[in-house]
Amino acid sequence: DTEVTQTPKHLVMGMTNKKSLKCEQHMGHRAMYWYKQKAKKPPELMFVYSYEKLSINESVPSRFSPECPNSSLLNLHLHALQPEDSALYLCASSQVRDRSGANVLTFGAGSRLTVL
Amino acid sequence: GNSVTQMEGPVTLSEEAFLTINCTYTATGYPSLFWYVQYPGEGLQLLLKATKADDKGSNKGFEATYRKETTSFHLEKGSVQVSDSAVYFCALIAGFQKLVFGTGTRLLVSP
Repeated sequence: DTEVTQTPKHLVMGMTNKKSLKCEQHMGHRAMYWYKQKAKKPPELMFVYSYEKLSINESVPSRFSPECPNSSLLNLHLHALQPEDSALYLCASSQVRDRSGANVLTFGAGSRLTVL
Repeated sequence: GNSVTQMEGPVTLSEEAFLTINCTYTATGYPSLFWYVQYPGEGLQLLLKATKADDKGSNKGFEATYRKETTSFHLEKGSVQVSDSAVYFCALIAGFQKLVFGTGTRLLVSP
């Protein structure tokens, strides 16, 4: 299994809703990532988990709350979002980075979020 | 800090034309270099990579050579197809730092 699976593919939510995005991989990768991608822009890193511990938080607003319940799963909990948070949210995984820097990220297909 | 610069798009070509998408980088240390491709409505897929100077990455007819002297990693393909229409991202990672993307170049191939 060489895939990163993201659900749901599409999500529409109001500003007062609470929802979650889910990501799963079974490649034995111990690093997992959330990226946000706006239209016609490159992905922007949000969070990195390494061995199920949060290792990087790129100053993301607290209305985004990541969770890594085990080595295969990564969630992104959403609460009180703003319309400008509408974007494609990409999950990725890799081997834990080492000094060679050659670890390749495998991306999921993304969850397209619309905030009304 | 580390950065990647790609040529502005869109690049518009006819089928079977030769493709070059330029990518240059700035990095401390010895980065690994990547090309990712994003087809419409999809996530990113690794197209090819190179981890040291003079390495050539290749996949699906695409090639890129890691040129340390010019800090470049240009993507080339000898004969593009309509199915190659996508956005191409050049990226690097150095040491323990995060993956850094260029702004992306949209390729449009017409029959």
